[in-house]
Amino acid sequence: DQQVKQNSPSLSVQEGRISILNCDYTNSMFDYFLWYKKYPAEGPTFLISISSIKDKNEDGRFTVFLNKSAKHLSLHIVPSQPGDSAVYFCAASLPYGQNFVFGPGTRLSVLP
Amino acid sequence: DVKVTQSSRYLVKRTGEKVFLECVQDMDHENMFWYRQDPGLGLRLIYFSYDVKMKEKGDIPEGYSVSREKKERFSLILESASTNQTSMYLCACEQGPMNTEAFFGQGTRLTVV
Repeated sequence: DQQVKQNSPSLSVQEGRISILNCDYTNSMFDYFLWYKKYPAEGPTFLISISSIKDKNEDGRFTVFLNKSAKHLSLHIVPSQPGDSAVYFCAASLPYGQNFVFGPGTRLSVLP
Repeated sequence: DVKVTQSSRYLVKRTGEKVFLECVQDMDHENMFWYRQDPGLGLRLIYFSYDVKMKEKGDIPEGYSVSREKKERFSLILESASTNQTSMYLCACEQGPMNTEAFFGQGTRLTVV
């Protein structure tokens, strides 16, 4: 049973528009959440994180929103660029946790 | 910048072979991890280590073992490779002990024939 779910395997967006990637989790004890981006044949690279004491964190074009009551987080990319085309993984961690639980990923395609 | 280096980008091994995947990090991070990535399953944790000579099983440890003799190096061992271990293997490190992001190597695409 997956503790971190990304229910959309893929998403296509026009260049310049907003991309919204969603992630749901089942374990209410998770208190730290991360988004990673992965290109083919490369390792994942860290994008942005959020602690459970916050509901929003921004870094340039990337914003992560956390809704603890719904056990849901989302990653917004504005504006989307063709270079954003990649697989995006959501991950979660427990307090003082020493490992991360990853979702299955969403493949984002940004069309020129 | 943290650098995590995996010894091979691509490997092809025969069924039954013993396979070693090496990972080295240069930032003195406490925690190191081995994941495998398969389509539709995301990244699944095989083993992690929070200190030299310490290791913990992840979600899918069967058929694997690990070694951490030095802080910067974490090795994944496939005792007897099987075709269902064909996958992308990813090594990562994290500073610890509080939650911070993990940094990944470039991955090793292993094919077992």
